[in-house]
Amino acid sequence: KAGVTQTPRYLIKTRGQQVTLSCSPISGHRSVSWYQQTPGQGLQFLFEYFSETQRNKGNFPGRFSGRQFSNSRSEMNVSTLELGDSALYLCASSLGEGMNTEAFFGQGTRLTVV
Amino acid sequence: DAKTTQPPSMDCAEGRAANLPCNHSTISGNEYVYWYRQIHSQGPQYIIHGLKNNETNEMASLIITEDRKSSTLILPHATLRDTAVYYCIVRDDNAGNMLTFGGGTRLMVKP
Repeated sequence: KAGVTQTPRYLIKTRGQQVTLSCSPISGHRSVSWYQQTPGQGLQFLFEYFSETQRNKGNFPGRFSGRQFSNSRSEMNVSTLELGDSALYLCASSLGEGMNTEAFFGQGTRLTVV
Repeated sequence: DAKTTQPPSMDCAEGRAANLPCNHSTISGNEYVYWYRQIHSQGPQYIIHGLKNNETNEMASLIITEDRKSSTLILPHATLRDTAVYYCIVRDDNAGNMLTFGGGTRLMVKP
């Protein structure tokens, strides 16, 4: 079956702009999580959506937001971009029920803010 | 903060077993131990997980100590393609599908 699809793969934006990233989970998966990966901070959890509701949120400013649609596809938005937002943004999908399930990651979107 | 401690780096000869340790001394009774790996510039890849029994799949074996305070991931016959950063993660039972990544172990498989 198809894996997790993230679009776009690469993106260059200017400081102050906003950006929207998209994630299509594996068919049948209802949980989508987002992570930011930078060389300095490593992999950090942003938020998780399950059945269109935000279930968990990491320690990021309000400029970072997301949503999930009824077909489980998810978007994340970053407003007023800063240079420090340059990172690899990863999306992971899970069945979403219970703990004993693994997460499948997409290839990520590499965002560069100039 | 991550609940696990791993050595920052390890080397392994190609064809030999790679044994990657992980300490999780504060693990609670119903938390699972998960292992993922990340090959350069790709998304993390699930390897294996377990609660208290040893587990094996086509990729690796997971050995969890009886007190559950540590575990070892074993790649039985490491290849060059196993060169990656390996993350040991304890799943928080109150945190849905959130994964808290630590620094991981950078495994270098050498010819």
